[in-house]
Amino acid sequence: GIQVEQSPPDLILQEGANSTLRCNFSDSVNNLQWFHQNPWGQLINLFYIPSGTKQNGRLSATTVATERYSLLYISSSQTTDSGVYFCAVPRTSGSRLTFGEGTQLTVNP
Amino acid sequence: EPEVTQTPSHQVTQMGQEVILRCVPISNHLYFYWYRQILGQKVEFLVSFYNNEISEKSEIFDDQFSVERPDGSNFTLKIRSTKLEDSAMYFCASIRVLGGGYTFGSGTRLTVV
Repeated sequence: GIQVEQSPPDLILQEGANSTLRCNFSDSVNNLQWFHQNPWGQLINLFYIPSGTKQNGRLSATTVATERYSLLYISSSQTTDSGVYFCAVPRTSGSRLTFGEGTQLTVNP
Repeated sequence: EPEVTQTPSHQVTQMGQEVILRCVPISNHLYFYWYRQILGQKVEFLVSFYNNEISEKSEIFDDQFSVERPDGSNFTLKIRSTKLEDSAMYFCASIRVLGGGYTFGSGTRLTVV
């Protein structure tokens, strides 16, 4: 099956810092999503980004499908950004999502 | 923005008991999924459902599990005889069309004691 690797596994930042999270995947995909899992365990959809770049406030994401990676940028981080960030890809359209192991982000005040 | 609704948010059950986890997908979505996440681990696929039948299931989804869409809105996951290792967060998800973005519910935290 498709492999999804995320890096770094853990990241600790001071409030206000910027960061880049990476997601590599082993096969061609036509969809990729980034999620934020908050301290209550909820999975919040951040981006649906099969290719190109999208921005939403302080967050932006870029997927380079031909090179099989995606990046999530967090600028001016806040304590509320803390949590686990997952990327996930489907093997084929509509099929199961395969999740990465996640990046645990801690933003200190 | 439309949401996927899951109930209950937290359920505690005794080992060996049956549990039913409920989900109301977004109304015009056609493909439905259950995933689970054991504490501290990544999210794992359980089963997908389309046109009133299972379209794909993982090795985790054994005979203890079943899914049903009893009416036009609800989508349920039943665990027949719970084990301690079934303790996890269970997520329901849906998509409208193939290739679209998945919308996840807020999860049900199941604790088996």
